[in-house]
Amino acid sequence: KNEVEQSPQNLTAQEGEFITINCSYSVGISALHWLQQHPGGGIVSLFMLSSGKKKHGRLIATINIQEKHSSLHITASHPRDSAVYICAVRLGGSQGNLIFGKGTKLSVKP
Amino acid sequence: SQTIHQWPATLVQPVGSPLSLECTVEGTSNPNLYWYRQAAGRGLQLLFYSIGIDQISSEVPQNLSASRPQDRQFILSSKKLLLSDSGFYLCAWSAGPIMPRGTIYFGEGSWLTVV
Repeated sequence: KNEVEQSPQNLTAQEGEFITINCSYSVGISALHWLQQHPGGGIVSLFMLSSGKKKHGRLIATINIQEKHSSLHITASHPRDSAVYICAVRLGGSQGNLIFGKGTKLSVKP
Repeated sequence: SQTIHQWPATLVQPVGSPLSLECTVEGTSNPNLYWYRQAAGRGLQLLFYSIGIDQISSEVPQNLSASRPQDRQFILSSKKLLLSDSGFYLCAWSAGPIMPRGTIYFGEGSWLTVV
């Protein structure tokens, strides 16, 4: 069983739809990252969470530490949101040890 | 502002040949540096991380090695590539000294195909 599970693996949406990507983990963590990987391969960090909720533009990320679960929401989705979204957790007490999910491939159709 | 450069972007190498991927970070000092690999159909895997010059930790046993000859330079190497070394390699950095809750920044990545 993977320590970080993401769902769904693939997601196709129509422009304007509200999108939710889920991440569950089974280990103790100090932080959780949501990352975005574009087709060219470059990865950018969207959010780093240790509790609660963060919002940036049309993106919202939430985390429930007790339930070991995080969600990434995209409101009013747009074709430019098409990318792979990756959940990664930083283990408690470890500087470099990030564990990554396999990613969710999102395709937003116009 | 800080930037991270990684090269080459793509590489096709025969089995048994050597490998050198280079990564440099600009605009910061004493960064923590990382090498990750994303094999086909799998999530990203941490290969090496470094908190300072010549201070490198290996997370998984493998055919690869890493070196940090300068503060902002991180090199991934192999003396003899295997087919299983094929994948997408990412260099990354985070602010140093140790900051457990810091954000991590990735380079554009290098696609390695071993044939």
